[in-house]
Amino acid sequence: NAGVTQTPKFQVLKTGQSMTLQCAQDMNHNSMYWYRQDPGMGLRLIYYSASEGTTDKGEVPNGYNVSRLNKREFSLRLESAAPSQTSVYFCASMRWPSVEQYFGPGTRLTVT
Amino acid sequence: AQTVTQSQPEMSVQEAETVTLSCTYDTSESNYYLFWYKQPPSRQMILVIRQEAYKQQNATENRFSVNFQKAAKSFSLKISDSQLGDTAMYFCAFMNLNYGGSQGNLIFGKGTKLSVKP
Repeated sequence: NAGVTQTPKFQVLKTGQSMTLQCAQDMNHNSMYWYRQDPGMGLRLIYYSASEGTTDKGEVPNGYNVSRLNKREFSLRLESAAPSQTSVYFCASMRWPSVEQYFGPGTRLTVT
Repeated sequence: AQTVTQSQPEMSVQEAETVTLSCTYDTSESNYYLFWYKQPPSRQMILVIRQEAYKQQNATENRFSVNFQKAAKSFSLKISDSQLGDTAMYFCAFMNLNYGGSQGNLIFGKGTKLSVKP
């Protein structure tokens, strides 16, 4: 039981490049989330998926797209990376009805 | 919109002593949850404790307990018998449980960096 896994753990991109962050959970949770964490800040929600087949914008969605591939997998795509997207990205899934969110180990992304 | 405020950017405590981290929040909702998450240097987010707003009894988990004051919108975390492994960032978080699009989304404070000294 791996919980929530994320790949890659680290990535460096040049401005304008694209990439996809992968997330998978093996806990059979319906809801999944993408957050970003900037220095001196708490986590902020980018996008979420309440269930398979649905996605919605969070607090900071600009510059990102997501895909809920199936119940296990929820990916985050940067189409044209910008230095402002330098951050640590966390994926999470949530257990109902306890509403506990379980986080992946994070991806540190640097855009130069 | 809901907000979460942690007014102590950094705190330190001696090993084996007790420390309290503060958190206040703002909401007009009545049905919600509050959480404390720990983030050690490994950056893994670890759930420490959660509180359901409709429960008056304060949550406890071993050495961790909360003081939940709903009217004052205050949610502090007390760590008893502090250990070196408690050194971490601690984030207070709010979750609204309205049955709309934001159901289940966590709103975080900016965190308190706790150092436990030997």
